[in-house]
Amino acid sequence: SQTIHQWPATLVQPVGSPLSLECTVEGTSNPNLYWYRQAAGRGLQLLFYSVGIGQISSEVPQNLSASRPQDRQFILSSKKLLLSDSGFYLCAWSREYTEAFFGQGTRLTVV
Amino acid sequence: QKEVEQNSGPLSVPEGAIASLNCTYSDRVSQSFFWYRQYSGKSPELIMSIYSNGDKEDGRFTAQLNKASQYVSLLIRDSQPSDSATYLCAGGGIQGAQKLVFGQGTRLTINP
Repeated sequence: SQTIHQWPATLVQPVGSPLSLECTVEGTSNPNLYWYRQAAGRGLQLLFYSVGIGQISSEVPQNLSASRPQDRQFILSSKKLLLSDSGFYLCAWSREYTEAFFGQGTRLTVV
Repeated sequence: QKEVEQNSGPLSVPEGAIASLNCTYSDRVSQSFFWYRQYSGKSPELIMSIYSNGDKEDGRFTAQLNKASQYVSLLIRDSQPSDSATYLCAGGGIQGAQKLVFGQGTRLTINP
């Protein structure tokens, strides 16, 4: 069966510090991978998605970036965090045009 | 127009009644539609997938897709307090791209 791992579960970072969130998927090959952000009480905002190694589509201009160095690894990064980057970050995987499955999420607080 | 839109609620339904959740989408969404449930502080979990016009039933849940009117709905029969959560509608195949976009979610409360 497929599993998705996302860590850490919670993170408190000062403004201006870098960020690296990692997500890995097991039990499938060539998955579509997604990074979403959810502000408190709001819906899911798609940040990045990837259909293959090195293929990243950015949905929202911001100070975040994503990379996919391996087939089942997806990384979300920032060089300098802003207060507005606080939120619940979710990684997900899917097969082509099918439902997505989510990791446990990372609650990021920028202070 | 947003690609997927939901009434954010809140929606309050008495226990045992039918809860009806609705979602509309733009004509940029073409391939597939999904309903997720999200408890506070947790990640979304898949309830239903629907790909073709009509109804799809799974236990107490029924998803309905109407492509001509561009809406998808979720009915929850015999609502239970444990159904209280935020329900997210999602659409895939945005202009042929393999991305999945979500509505803003509807907060549902089932009153005992």
